[in-house]
Amino acid sequence: DGGITQSPKYLFRKEGQNVTLSCEQNLNHDAMYWYRQDPGQGLRLIYYSQIVNDFQKGDIAEGYSVSREKKESFPLTVTSAQKNPTAFYLCASSLPHREQFFGPGTRLTVL
Amino acid sequence: DQQVKQNSPSLSVQEGRISILNCDYTNSMFDYFLWYKKYPAEGPTFLISISSIKDKNEDGRFTVFLNKSAKHLSLHIVPSQPGDSAVYFCAAGSTGGFKTIFGAGTRLFVKA
Repeated sequence: DGGITQSPKYLFRKEGQNVTLSCEQNLNHDAMYWYRQDPGQGLRLIYYSQIVNDFQKGDIAEGYSVSREKKESFPLTVTSAQKNPTAFYLCASSLPHREQFFGPGTRLTVL
Repeated sequence: DQQVKQNSPSLSVQEGRISILNCDYTNSMFDYFLWYKKYPAEGPTFLISISSIKDKNEDGRFTVFLNKSAKHLSLHIVPSQPGDSAVYFCAAGSTGGFKTIFGAGTRLFVKA
């Protein structure tokens, strides 16, 4: 059945290390998104991609990087330049201007 | 600058009664609005949406009302059930763009 998968659900990394979060969808959606959620806050957009091989910075892109080599995949790399990387990360996909379908999320903890 | 605001962090309602969640927005370019429901440690799920050309949209127990002049929308849940206990996010977007702006969320508690 169709949906979005994110792996792993929990991820621990040492400070100063880069880490890549996986996001895969089989909904045939062109648009994909990465959000970050911190306690008591809404979803803040990190990066989004409207189509393969194209992506744009969201509101909090500093310290993050993405790629969109395949329609199904939109991995997010949290680099050592991200000052506060510990958070809950959510990936989503959608048809243009329609509701977004979210993955289950990855909780990243940097020790 | 918060373009989408949910001013109530939490709301507690008795089972069977109506739950009303509110949302305000500032950007007049928004032309579609959505509500999502989120359980802890899970991704949000889409609940209901409304276009700016309408002032009401209903889906079962869920109704969204839009007041464009006041830049305000609300989600009504009738009757409320314990399984409705979750965080509800209001979101808004423009067909001229690709970003959806989310509010901070309101945590709903439905007491049995």
